[in-house]
Amino acid sequence: DIQMTQSPSSLSASVGDRVTITCQASQDINNYVNWYQQKPGKAPKLLIYDASNLETGVPSRFSGSGYGTDFTLTISSLQPEDIATYYCQQYDHLPPSITFGQGTRLEIK
Amino acid sequence: QVQLQESGPGLVKPSETLSLSCTVSGGSISIYYWSWIRQSPGKGLEWIGFIDHNENTNYNPSLKSRVIISVDTSKNQFSLKLNSVTAADTAVYFCARGCCGADYYFDYWGQGTLVTVSS
Repeated sequence: DIQMTQSPSSLSASVGDRVTITCQASQDINNYVNWYQQKPGKAPKLLIYDASNLETGVPSRFSGSGYGTDFTLTISSLQPEDIATYYCQQYDHLPPSITFGQGTRLEIK
Repeated sequence: QVQLQESGPGLVKPSETLSLSCTVSGGSISIYYWSWIRQSPGKGLEWIGFIDHNENTNYNPSLKSRVIISVDTSKNQFSLKLNSVTAADTAVYFCARGCCGADYYFDYWGQGTLVTVSS
């Protein structure tokens, strides 16, 4: 099974900061990585799919990059409404399986 | 706008079967893939399995022996059965739509339903 190692597990930053969250896959997964934002008591929300594609309606301050084993979610200028937990997710074809990273809790300093 | 809504008992006794349904509105269940995902209190997300409209299924290997996911296209619903539950199965259960192409990501989610396993 492919493992996803997400870091950091928690992060404190100031409004306006550039924030970066990383996920490392245990083997090459092309660009099959997706990123979600989850606020307390809510379902996760898709932010980025196929490593770098911004989901419709998601602010452009969110971006994703990476290919193979190393992936990054970046928030270019942190806003108060970005306080949430962020998860990466990978899809493996053979056999079909889906794994989430452990999550990154983002707080405002 | 696609919407998903979970339904089912919020309390299940140990060793019994957890049964949930997800009703899809605003779109047909006869395309895409349909998944169940759970989140134990204060923990991360765990994929349970998915089904397509042709009833092809794939399950998380760690749960495969206890899980059945089925679909009813006439009702635009899909369902989850998890048998022999224990306290470790207490979680918020989400249904979600899986999309697209060579990748698989969840673009629409239900609000989630808390299932507690307790006697």
